[in-house]
Amino acid sequence: ELKVEQNPLFLSMQEGKNYTIYCNYSTTSDRLYWYRQDPGKSLESLFVLLSNGAVKQEGRLMASLDTKARLSTLHITAAVHDLSATYFCAVDLIQGAQKLVFGQGTRLTINP
Amino acid sequence: NAGVTQTPKFQVLKTGQSMTLQCAQDMNHNSMYWYRQDPGMGLRLIYYSASEGTTDKGEVPNGYNVSRLNKREFSLRLESAAPSQTSVYFCATTGWGTYEQYFGPGTRLTVT
Repeated sequence: ELKVEQNPLFLSMQEGKNYTIYCNYSTTSDRLYWYRQDPGKSLESLFVLLSNGAVKQEGRLMASLDTKARLSTLHITAAVHDLSATYFCAVDLIQGAQKLVFGQGTRLTINP
Repeated sequence: NAGVTQTPKFQVLKTGQSMTLQCAQDMNHNSMYWYRQDPGMGLRLIYYSASEGTTDKGEVPNGYNVSRLNKREFSLRLESAAPSQTSVYFCATTGWGTYEQYFGPGTRLTVT
């Protein structure tokens, strides 16, 4: 059974600080997804990481994938309040079918 | 171009009642998915359809049925609702050769 675990589950940080969210998964996969969800809203795709060593950046967010360690990270640089949201990682249950298994989510709160 | 639409947005049912959640996409995508999200948790896959006329079970299919009516529409039916099915239901879609899943706005279902 594929398990996807994120940590931390809750993160409160100050504006301007850097932090990293970790996503571990239990079986082999070379495709990992990061999503953002605002309260009461749907999911917004942030990154799709397709191979070992993949790194993608968008603004203050950078995601990376290490398939050997079964680990992905989402790094936040110089956080701003607008980045407050819940962040989910997800992994393909069956490669190619995109039957995703999600982590529990990391609720990020950025305080002025 | 609406993307992925879901109806209804909100629904309250009594235990034992039935209902159908509707999902439609205008993105000409082949694959469609139904997920549920319980409070404080990630999404869990209920059913998925790789193409018109095909459906397959996900992680939590018990208590649900689906119909892929045509390429655009994928419905989720609760035959006899139970309080454990209180959740937010999201429909998603993805196209051949792409990796992003696009999510609808969700249906908030409460079963009393």
